[in-house]
Amino acid sequence: DVKVTQSSRYLVKRTGEKVFLECVQDMDHENMFWYRQDPGLGLRLIYFSYDVKMKEKGDIPEGYSVSREKKERFSLILESASTNQTSMYLCASSPLRGAGNQPQHFGDGTRLSIL
Amino acid sequence: GQQLNQSPQSMFIQEGEDVSMNCTSSSIFNTWLWYKQDPGEGPVLLIALYKAGELTSNGRLTAQFGITRKDSFLNISASIPSDVGIYFCAGHLNQAGTALIFGKGTTLSVSS
Repeated sequence: DVKVTQSSRYLVKRTGEKVFLECVQDMDHENMFWYRQDPGLGLRLIYFSYDVKMKEKGDIPEGYSVSREKKERFSLILESASTNQTSMYLCASSPLRGAGNQPQHFGDGTRLSIL
Repeated sequence: GQQLNQSPQSMFIQEGEDVSMNCTSSSIFNTWLWYKQDPGEGPVLLIALYKAGELTSNGRLTAQFGITRKDSFLNISASIPSDVGIYFCAGHLNQAGTALIFGKGTTLSVSS
């Protein structure tokens, strides 16, 4: 089975802090994704990556950056955390085959609170 | 960005009832996926559909890829309490290399 592991289930940080959310997958998947999930808004894509050192903006990249130095690891960075970034953050990965339309597999999420 | 319209937004049913939910779009999709999310967990893939008209079952769950490629439905038969959760549809647009687009979810509550 695919295993996507997010480093923290719960995290509390203060406004203005630099926050790192880590995600590791063990299936050699090329694609990795970061979403945030808020009530009534569903899953919204922040950033994704199709390869090492490659990144693409999703629908809501403002206030975030990402890093993919190794294939198995995709980090989400909140440069200066703000209260409106309090949310559930989900990491996902998928293999790149053909047109790349393969299901994504999700981690268990990190519930981040910014005080 | 692109949107998927998922309905209903929530459902309250009795144990043993059948459930149906669907997703529609104005765009053509070449993949439809259905996920379930339990409280405090990440979404888990239930069913993946790759061809128009495809009908696929996973236990008590059945999903279909619409003929027009603009919709999909998920049915759950004989619901049980552990079916409680949020069900998401998702799809890939008919373009190579695009990210998944998600519906906003259907929250299912089952009373015994």
